[in-house]
Amino acid sequence: DIQMTQSPSSLSATVGDRVTIICQASQDISNYLNWYQQKPGKAPELLMYDASNLKTGVPSRFSGSGSGTDFTFTISSLQPEDIATYYCQQYDNLPTFGGGTRVEIK
Amino acid sequence: EVQLVESGGGLVQPGGSLRLSCVASGFTFSSYEMNWVRQAPGKGLEWVSYISNSGVTKYYADSVKGRFTISRDNAKNSLYLQMNSLRAEDTAVYFCARGGYFDRRFGYWGQGALVTVSS
Repeated sequence: DIQMTQSPSSLSATVGDRVTIICQASQDISNYLNWYQQKPGKAPELLMYDASNLKTGVPSRFSGSGSGTDFTFTISSLQPEDIATYYCQQYDNLPTFGGGTRVEIK
Repeated sequence: EVQLVESGGGLVQPGGSLRLSCVASGFTFSSYEMNWVRQAPGKGLEWVSYISNSGVTKYYADSVKGRFTISRDNAKNSLYLQMNSLRAEDTAVYFCARGGYFDRRFGYWGQGALVTVSS
């Protein structure tokens, strides 16, 4: 199975800050990397697919990059409504998720 | 509007069985691959099982292989997860999610069904 290592596991930032989350795959997954946002008590929602494509309707302050084994997810200007846990997920083979990053407001 | 609605969760004793259902609407169900994903209390997401749009191809996580069975009824726009020999570690919210090897993403999720395995 492909392992996904996500860091940090949690972070605290101020409104307006730039926030970056890293996800590393245990083997080459090309660009088959997705990012999800999950708010407390809710189902996850797809934000980005194929590493760098924003799902329709998702604010442009969210972005993603990377290919192969190293990927980055960025919130360019953190907003209060972005408080959530973010997960990366690979779909090169049987899907696996990263451990999640809990984003809080400082 | 795409909707996925799970049902069938509840409290079950260790060793018992439970069947989850997921009813789909707002899209042509028979054209899409489907999955079950679970989340233990306070933990991250774990993919559980996959089924192709025809129902012929199925995959399972090692943690549930031999105990869980995924199936679908395209005439009823429904996805199922039969869970047998349940263990305490199967306690989780179970989500159905649309997506698979065609689009390589879980584009839509249900609201989840809580399964609690406890004596």
